[in-house]
Amino acid sequence: SQQGEEDPQALSIQEGENATMNCSYKTSINNLQWYRQNSGRGLVHLILIRSNEREKHSGRLRVTLDTSKKSSSLLITASRAADTASYFCATGFGNEKLTFGTGTRLTIIP
Amino acid sequence: DAGVIQSPRHEVTEMGQEVTLRCKPISGHNSLFWYRQTMMRGLELLIYFNNNVPIDDSGMPEDRFSAKMPNASFSTLKIQPSEPRDSAVYFCASSTSGTDTQYFGPGTRLTVL
Repeated sequence: SQQGEEDPQALSIQEGENATMNCSYKTSINNLQWYRQNSGRGLVHLILIRSNEREKHSGRLRVTLDTSKKSSSLLITASRAADTASYFCATGFGNEKLTFGTGTRLTIIP
Repeated sequence: DAGVIQSPRHEVTEMGQEVTLRCKPISGHNSLFWYRQTMMRGLELLIYFNNNVPIDDSGMPEDRFSAKMPNASFSTLKIQPSEPRDSAVYFCASSTSGTDTQYFGPGTRLTVL
């Protein structure tokens, strides 16, 4: 069963704009990760945030985590055409298992 | 490093046939995961191994599915007999025990007619 639900399911923005995706989950977690999947490819790990962290940055990516609301957001700044992909949140429980959300399909319009 | 290698990349078979999917994890990784991705159900964990031992197979849909990991560099996922509802993309991923970041292969797109 899905642990995470991403919102929105699909998002289209102009190149150069910022893209924000949200993830909500149901149970206590050890960490939350974001992965990207380009069409027809495997998932690629982007960033991991632990349950005792509130915000993390990596290049143009910014992730926040609010454990009281069981939610996370992924912000991609200054979007590029190459950012077009599906983005998944995945919750980890410290036992190596990950449970993936339903994904947000992001389209960057040149 | 070559990353996680999966074969075949595409498989088309007829209902009732046996299908074997193969995976070579990243060298040095000791955890291996098999996932299935469909439009309806998203990405589902089928089974995972740690040090070649199956740890959790609760996601394996039914007895028609079986997975093995005979050594640290090779795993198979077998479906026998295959059914049209098994059509999906099957991913293998590997990681280092104690970390939570998984590295995915390119997937095998299975079509059962």
